[in-house]
Amino acid sequence: GQNIDQPTEMTATEGAIVQINCTYQTSGFNGLFWYQQHAGEAPTFLSYNVLDGLEEKGRFSSFLSRSKGYSYLLLKELQMKDSASYLCAVRDRARLNSNYQLIWGAGTKLIIKP
Amino acid sequence: NAGVTQTPKFRVLKTGQSMTLLCAQDMNHEYMYWYRQDPGMGLRLIHYSVGEGTTAKGEVPDGYNVSRLKKQNFLLGLESAAPSQTSVYFCASSEPWGGEDGYTFGSGTRLTVV
Repeated sequence: GQNIDQPTEMTATEGAIVQINCTYQTSGFNGLFWYQQHAGEAPTFLSYNVLDGLEEKGRFSSFLSRSKGYSYLLLKELQMKDSASYLCAVRDRARLNSNYQLIWGAGTKLIIKP
Repeated sequence: NAGVTQTPKFRVLKTGQSMTLLCAQDMNHEYMYWYRQDPGMGLRLIHYSVGEGTTAKGEVPDGYNVSRLKKQNFLLGLESAAPSQTSVYFCASSEPWGGEDGYTFGSGTRLTVV
């Protein structure tokens, strides 16, 4: 079947580094996205990985291993404003009609403490 | 540059009432989507559209209808609201299934059905 797993909640300290993991099982992997969602707001796009390796964007980096069905989002120099939920989503080729679909994880709530 | 505009932001309905959620995008995207987000669950796709005049069912389409008469607009209708439709609804647009830049989401509609 198709499934995405993320930790429900994580806590980290301001100025530190945190890694949020995402594992997935899909039949036709075609890319992985990370989004940030502050409470009461819409998700906003952070990163996209389709090939194995690390993509770096400022304080945020995202890693993908297709053979392991695994990704992580790395946040460095944490700031209070990084307190949010982080959503992992996988684009998968649906079997029935060769169309694509996005499968969403339930999100990881990240709490930053001073 | 507005991106994706979604109205209304909040709404309370009585069971059996109807309403329409409006979504407009100025990004010239062919693909538009309606999602609902419930606590502890990933975003679930209600309906989507791959272009003007086309619509398709997503993961949870029952009780909802949609129309895409113009490329920039995607409407979500609830014909007879039920308490199970209490949720936060997000509209989004993108290159096909997120492309490489992900989805752009509207600000969301918090709907309560009593």
